Amino acid sequence: QQPVQSPQAVILREGEDAVINCSSSKALYSVHWYRQKHGEAPVFLMILLKGGEQKGHEKISASFNEKKQQSSLYLTASQLSYSGTYFCGTQSGGSNYKLTFGKGTLLTVNP
Amino acid sequence: DSGVTQTPKHLITATGQRVTLRCSPRSGDLSVYWYQQSLDQGLQFLIQYYNGEERAKGNILERFSAQQFPDLHSELNLSSLELGDSALYFCASSVDSGTGANTGELFFGEGSRLTVL
Repeated sequence: QQPVQSPQAVILREGEDAVINCSSSKALYSVHWYRQKHGEAPVFLMILLKGGEQKGHEKISASFNEKKQQSSLYLTASQLSYSGTYFCGTQSGGSNYKLTFGKGTLLTVNP
Repeated sequence: DSGVTQTPKHLITATGQRVTLRCSPRSGDLSVYWYQQSLDQGLQFLIQYYNGEERAKGNILERFSAQQFPDLHSELNLSSLELGDSALYFCASSVDSGTGANTGELFFGEGSRLTVL
């Protein structure tokens, strides 16, 4: 089942902060975050695993609330290069290996 | 460059036809994922292979099939094409744990853009 992302789109000025949310109706094993720039392939940002382990980007942080099956991506002091579509992907674990992505959040950072 | 190679980059064909998309994963990656990306649906998971075996299946149509070969490259076959199959098809690879549960980064290829006329 596809996770739900919010907001669908956000416009920022350089230096502003943004939060992108991702929620699932299923218990989660892991949450993955990717960014896709227009005309390019998605690029890995971060993975958060059940139990608290995180691996990812230096300047972008995220949280994972296992009980609520929710994750949030925090973009602080945004830069022009942060513009793109952000996707969260979820994996339920166990015997379910599907990595299912949400519809994405379009982030535009203006000067 | 992610190290994942997809061919062809662009493909234009007619309804009813059949096409094959090819993916070579990064050296050493055992898992291959196929995703379909259309404007309004984001990244739709199609299927995953791990070391030659099908590991997970998403909303893949019966007209579509895939396989992973002993050299770990993968092919996605799309047949009886319809206008709605026009999309960008991504292949991604990763180094998965033995259980197949992904605990690391997916490396995406540049995608194959399919246009069905």
